[in-house]
Amino acid sequence: AQRVTQPEKLLSVFKGAPVELKCNYSYSGSPELFWYVQYSRQRLQLLLRHISRESIKGFTADLNKGETSFHLKKPFAQEEDSAMYYCALTITGNQFYFGTGTSLTVIP
Amino acid sequence: DAGVTQSPTHLIKTRGQQVTLRCSPKSGHDTVSWYQQALGQGPQFIFQYYEEEERQRGNFPDRFSGHQFPNYSSELNVNALLLGDSALYLCASSVLSIQRNSPLHFGNGTRLTVT
Repeated sequence: AQRVTQPEKLLSVFKGAPVELKCNYSYSGSPELFWYVQYSRQRLQLLLRHISRESIKGFTADLNKGETSFHLKKPFAQEEDSAMYYCALTITGNQFYFGTGTSLTVIP
Repeated sequence: DAGVTQSPTHLIKTRGQQVTLRCSPKSGHDTVSWYQQALGQGPQFIFQYYEEEERQRGNFPDRFSGHQFPNYSSELNVNALLLGDSALYLCASSVLSIQRNSPLHFGNGTRLTVT
C-alpha cells in the first residue's frame, strides 16, 4: 500500500536558518507529489507540487526517486513560515495519501 | 470566489445517531472528495464524487455514504455514529482531469464530536 512518512512531528529553527522538512514515500512507480501547508486558523492549502518545479514562498522540493523522498527546503526561514506542513502523494489523481504532518516553528 | 465552503463548522452528536455534512465546491470545480482527519493525523481519503457518482472509495465502512448534486455540491452522511468517528471532516474540490497533478482545494472542515 502507498504510504507517506514525515518523520518529524515537530521542527524548530531560528529565523534566517535553513529548514528542511522530510518526506519519504513508499510506491514503486511514479507518483505525483505535493506539499500542503496550513497556517494558523487557515485552511489547508497547496504549497507546491513537484510537476511544477517551481519555488513558492522560497520553498523548493526535489523528487528523489532513488531514495523515494520529496523533502521540502528553504534556505532562510522566516517567522511567517511557522505552520503545519503535509506531504501528499497521488497515483491516479483521485485518492491522495497524506503524511501525519510536521509542525514548523520559526523562532525569532 | 468563496472557495470551498462547508457546513456546519461544528457538530455534536450522540453515539448511534446519524449526521449529514455539506460542501459546496470552488467555482469551476466539478469533483468533490471527502477526507477524515483525526487529531494528530493527516487527512484520510473517504471517497470522491464526480458526475453525481462515487468514483473512488477509501477504506471506510458502508456507514459512510455520500451524494453529489447537479450543482456539484456534496453531502457526507455517517450512520450509526461511533465514538471513533469524532474527527475533522474535510471537503476538497478539484477539476477532473486526465492529469494526475490537479491539486485539491480544501474547505475549513466540519468538527464532529461524538459523545
